[in-house]
Amino acid sequence: EIVLTQSPGTLSLSPGERVTLSCRASQNFGGTSLAWYQQKPGQAPRLLIYLASSRATGIPDRFSGGGSGTDFTLTISRLEPEDFAVYYCQQYGRSPGTFGQGTKLEIK
Amino acid sequence: QVQLVQSGAEVKKPGASVKVSCKTSGYTFSTYGISWVRQAPGQGLEWMGWISTKGTTTYAQKLQGRVTMATDTSTSTVYMELRSLRSDDTAVYFCARGVGTYYDFWGQGTLVTVSS
Repeated sequence: EIVLTQSPGTLSLSPGERVTLSCRASQNFGGTSLAWYQQKPGQAPRLLIYLASSRATGIPDRFSGGGSGTDFTLTISRLEPEDFAVYYCQQYGRSPGTFGQGTKLEIK
Repeated sequence: QVQLVQSGAEVKKPGASVKVSCKTSGYTFSTYGISWVRQAPGQGLEWMGWISTKGTTTYAQKLQGRVTMATDTSTSTVYMELRSLRSDDTAVYFCARGVGTYYDFWGQGTLVTVSS
């Protein structure tokens, strides 16, 4: 099973700042089969990015994904108040698909 | 629009079973499989398994023997049954569209509480 490690666990930032979240895989799972999700309290996760760098429908362009192989990133260019949430990465290149443990973005 | 609507919250005793439904609409049911993901309180996301468009199932190893997923094509509904419930099965259970891929639409979640 592929283990995804997200870092950092928690980030305290202010609106307007730029942030890059990391997701590292324990082994290569085949190219760019990686997605990012945003989850707010009491809600289901929302797909942000798939295929490592493709934005899902309706996702603002301040969200961007990158990376390949075992190292992936999610960048939010300028934090909006509604972006403070938990972010998960997911690999789907090798079964079973697995999730990272999440990175929480909190308001400083 | 695509919607996945799940059944309501459940409270079960240890050893009992629970069956959660996920009614889909807004797309052709036969073109997408459904996966199930759960989230224990304050924890991350855990993949439980999936059911493909052909009815083929794949389950997480840790749940093998306790979980069953099935579909009712007449109502575009997917079901997930978990048996021999334990306290550590207390979680929010989500259905999500997609099998072996990313999940583009999710149900609202169903809280299952296991308590004596």
